[in-house]
Amino acid sequence: AQTVTQSQPEMSVQEAETVTLSCTYDTSESNYYLFWYKQPPSRQMILVIRQEAYKQQNATENRFSVNFQKAAKSFSLKISDSQLGDTAMYFCAFMRTSGSRLTFGEGTQLTVNP
Amino acid sequence: KAGVTQTPRYLIKTRGQQVTLSCSPISGHRSVSWYQQTPGQGLQFLFEYFSETQRNKGNFPGRFSGRQFSNSRSEMNVSTLELGDSALYLCASSLGLPSEDTQYFGPGTRLTVL
Repeated sequence: AQTVTQSQPEMSVQEAETVTLSCTYDTSESNYYLFWYKQPPSRQMILVIRQEAYKQQNATENRFSVNFQKAAKSFSLKISDSQLGDTAMYFCAFMRTSGSRLTFGEGTQLTVNP
Repeated sequence: KAGVTQTPRYLIKTRGQQVTLSCSPISGHRSVSWYQQTPGQGLQFLFEYFSETQRNKGNFPGRFSGRQFSNSRSEMNVSTLELGDSALYLCASSLGLPSEDTQYFGPGTRLTVL
C-alpha cells in the first residue's frame, strides 16, 4: 500500500515571498503520478500541479514548481511570489499508473499574510 | 468546458435514513471517483466507476454503494446513515486512461447526519 506524509500541518508566509511545502511518500511502484491539490475555504479541491514519475524534469505551472526526488521519495511544492489567494489547505497525492485511486497526505494549511 | 458538478451541495439527514448524492463529470470524462473527507480521517477513497462498471473500491462498508449511467453521471448511495457518515463527499472525474488519469474535483456535498 502507498502512503503519503506531509509533516508540516501549518505554515505561513508573507505576501510576495517564497514558501516550500514538503511531502514524502512510500511505494514499491516504479511508475506513478504525484499531484498537489489546494483546497481553499470554499472546499473546492483544485489541481495545482502534476508530476509523472518517469520524467526527471520537475513540473512547473506559473508560480508553482516542484522538486521531485524519486530516489528519496520526496515531492515538495514551491510557491513563488505568494499571493493572498494562495491561502488554502494543500494536499499532496499519489496515484499508480494502473489505477484511478488517489492517496492523499494529511494536508498543510498555508496562510499568506499581507 | 463546464466543470464537475455535484448535487445537492448540502444535505441534512437523521440516523437510519438513506441518501443519494449525484455527480456529473466533465464532458468526455468516463471515470468518476468518490472520496469522503472528514477532519479525523482526512480524504479517503470510496470507489471509482468507469464505463458504468465499478473499477476500484476502497475500504468502506457495504452501506456505501454507487453506480454510473451511460452518460457517465454517477450516483452514490449511503443506506442506514450513522453519525460518523457526516462528511464532505467529493467526486472527481477523469478520462480514466493509464496515460491520462488526472482527476478534477467537484465542489462537494456536505452531508450532516443528526
